[in-house]
Order: sequence, then structure tokens, then C-alpha cells
Amino acid sequence: AQSVTQPDIHITVSEGASLELRCNYSYGATPYLFWYVQSPGQGLQLLLKYFSGDTLVQGIKGFEAEFKRSQSSFNLRKPSVHWSDAAEYFCAVGSGGYNKLIFGAGTRLAVHP
Amino acid sequence: DAGVIQSPRHEVTEMGQEVTLRCKPISGHDYLFWYRQTMMRGLELLIYFNNNVPIDDSGMPEDRFSAKMPNASFSTLKIQPSEPRDSAVYFCASSPRDRIYEQYFGPGTRLTVT
Repeated sequence: AQSVTQPDIHITVSEGASLELRCNYSYGATPYLFWYVQSPGQGLQLLLKYFSGDTLVQGIKGFEAEFKRSQSSFNLRKPSVHWSDAAEYFCAVGSGGYNKLIFGAGTRLAVHP
Repeated sequence: DAGVIQSPRHEVTEMGQEVTLRCKPISGHDYLFWYRQTMMRGLELLIYFNNNVPIDDSGMPEDRFSAKMPNASFSTLKIQPSEPRDSAVYFCASSPRDRIYEQYFGPGTRLTVT
């Protein structure tokens, strides 16, 4: 069965520092991969997606993610974090013919000034 | 577009009462999803519709939960009778016909059952 693992429950970084959030997936075929962000009291917002092609994808708010098939990973990165990036981040995989998104447990990001 | 609209934003009710959550998807989107988010279980898909027809309700926890989509611009999720363990944030999301995985979420309804 498809699954998504986000190994880090909480991450704290200083403002201006670089960020990498980890995501590993389990899926037999080429996956559809997504990162969503949830600010406190808000719904989820799509940051970026990977369907095929270039393995480095750019998203909104300066985020990018790289698909690595050999590692079954789709890590989210940002070169310089802003205080407004503090939120919870969810990695998700599209489960092919079932038309469902399978979400990871989320990583809560805190940003120190 | 106003995005996905959910009402109410907060609901507090007593155990045994009926609760109805409402959702208006983005105009033109063919798919509508209902999710539940809790600390213990994370984000769970409850049910989804395609062109107002329920496609997969395998995530609906039990018969106390029901969902309808009478037209393309409105859906409800009903819990009857409600129980304290139903306390959660319920999200509605919609997506376009050709991009089912690009789901746009509403702000959610925070339900508290006392």
C-alpha cells in the first residue's frame, strides 16, 4: 500500500537559515508527489507538485523540492527561511487509480528570529 | 474566485446532537473531498465525490456519518448522533476534472463535541 513518511515531527531553524524537510514515500509506480503547507487555523495550501519530467520542481513562496527515485524521497527545500514560513508542512502522494492523496503526518516548522 | 467555502468555522455541540457541516467548492471543480484532521490520526480522507456522485466512502468512520452533494456547488457532512471522539477539524477540498490531485482546501470547521 502507498504510504508517506515524514521523519521529523518538529524542526526549528533560525530566520535566514536554509531548510530541508524530509519526505519518503512507498509506491510501486512513478508517483505523483506534493507538498502542502498549513498555517495555524487555516486549510492546506499547495506549495508544489511533481508529476514527471524535471526532478527539481519549483513552487510558491520560494520553495523547491527534488524527486529522487533511488531514495524514494521528495525533500522540500528553501535557501533562506522567513519568519512567516512557520507552519506545518505535509508531503503527499497521489495513489494512482484510487484517486486519493495519501498524506504524511506532517512536520511542524518553527522559525527563531 | 473565493476559494472553497466552509461553514460554520467553529461548532460546539453536546453529545447526541446532530451536526451538519457545509461546503461550497470552487466553481467548475468536478471533485469534492471531505477530510478529518486530528492530532492522533492526522489527515484522513472520509469521502469524495465526482460530479456530485459519491465515489469512495471507505473512510467514513461509521454509520453516524453521512455526506451528500445535491448539486455542483454544495455539499454537507452530517454526524448524527455526535460523540466526543468526533471532535476534530473537518476540511472540504475540491479539484478540477483533469487535475484531481491538485486539491484546494477550505479553511476547515473545528468541531467540538462535549
